Amino acid sequence: ETGVTQSPTHLIKTRGQQVTLRCSSQSGHNTVSWYQQALGQGPQFIFQYYREEENGRGNFPPRFSGLQFPNYSSELNVNALELDDSALYLCASSPWSGTGELFFGEGSRLTVL
Amino acid sequence: GIQVEQSPPDLILQEGANSTLRCNFSDSVNNLQWFHQNPWGQLINLFYIPSGTKQNGRLSATTVATERYSLLYISSSQTTDSGVYFCAVENYGQNFVFGPGTRLSVLP
Repeated sequence: ETGVTQSPTHLIKTRGQQVTLRCSSQSGHNTVSWYQQALGQGPQFIFQYYREEENGRGNFPPRFSGLQFPNYSSELNVNALELDDSALYLCASSPWSGTGELFFGEGSRLTVL
Repeated sequence: GIQVEQSPPDLILQEGANSTLRCNFSDSVNNLQWFHQNPWGQLINLFYIPSGTKQNGRLSATTVATERYSLLYISSSQTTDSGVYFCAVENYGQNFVFGPGTRLSVLP
């Protein structure tokens, strides 16, 4: 059984640029959630995708957007990067929307200079 | 929204000691998970435990949903247990909310 995989693992961007992070869900899972974890804090919910549609969103501005594809993989896009966007971005998949156990990938560490 | 508290925030133990980590939440939940975050950042599932008691080797967990708390027990701690432990709860169709974590350091 393949677990959740994320890419890239590390990346450096400059303020104002755009970034795309990718996530492949665990086999058999159709729901993907994205979390942002700033240094020294717990993960914060960004949004969730179920059947290719956004199914819940946390307190993040519209420049954070996402997609889910028919194979349940997902992308997180962040436009107009700010210094405070520097964080570990975690993707989790679960077997169904709203009630499933979360399984996390290794994360993508973004540094904005 | 639901609030999650974890205690203690930091814990230092000698190898072989036992410990108890606590998670309090402000509202009823239908899901609760405990995670261990390793030094590389990955969140490792420890327990999916919305209620009751579970054990896995040296680790066990108990959730008392009616009193809105969960406990994670670590026995005979090892240096590899070091890291941050997170409790996360889901409130009936809302997203999972994470606590601030307990940072555990196990000294040899």
